[in-house]
Amino acid sequence: AQSVTQLDSHVSVSEGTPVLLRCNYSSSYSPSLFWYVQHPNKGLQLLLKYTSAATLVKGINGFEAEFKKSETSFHLTKPSAHMSDAAEYFCVVRSMDSSYKLIFGSGTRLLVRP
Amino acid sequence: SAVISQKPSRDICQRGTSLTIQCQVDSQVTMMFWYRQQPGQSLTLIATANQGSEATYESGFVIDKFPISRPNLTFSTLTVSNMSPEDSSIYLCSVEEGPDEQYFGPGTRLTVT
Repeated sequence: AQSVTQLDSHVSVSEGTPVLLRCNYSSSYSPSLFWYVQHPNKGLQLLLKYTSAATLVKGINGFEAEFKKSETSFHLTKPSAHMSDAAEYFCVVRSMDSSYKLIFGSGTRLLVRP
Repeated sequence: SAVISQKPSRDICQRGTSLTIQCQVDSQVTMMFWYRQQPGQSLTLIATANQGSEATYESGFVIDKFPISRPNLTFSTLTVSNMSPEDSSIYLCSVEEGPDEQYFGPGTRLTVT
């Protein structure tokens, strides 16, 4: 069965410094992986996705993630944090059974200090 | 991407009552999903609703408690029945618009007193 583990429940960075949100996955097959962002009182927005093409995936708002099979990781990064990046981030894997459902990690809350 | 709306956006309900949440999409989609996000928690899939077939429920969710309708390719409803305070959550619908492209509605924030 597929699963994802987000290693940090909270991450705090200063504005202008790099962001690193960590995610490890478990899958018997080549997985489809996603990062979603949820701003307070707003819906979920797809940041980026990996579907067995390029291992370095670029998303919206300057975010990117690198798929590392040897480390079973899919960490989300951004070179320079902005105040507007403060939100909840979810690492997600797609189930490989016939349901194709999304399986969410527990989430990482990103705090950006001025 | 598809534009998804949900009604109501929030509600406060008394225990023992039921609430029906509507999900409307601006394009025809085959696969729709209903998720629950309990306070401070991640998202959990309740069921998959495909037009023309019965909804498929995940372990721990039953049709009597969460009946779902899917009358056409742009609309679905989720009913939360005989509510208790433990049902206080955000309920979100989502649609599969293409391969690995799943988009979410804004959610319905339900509080049960």
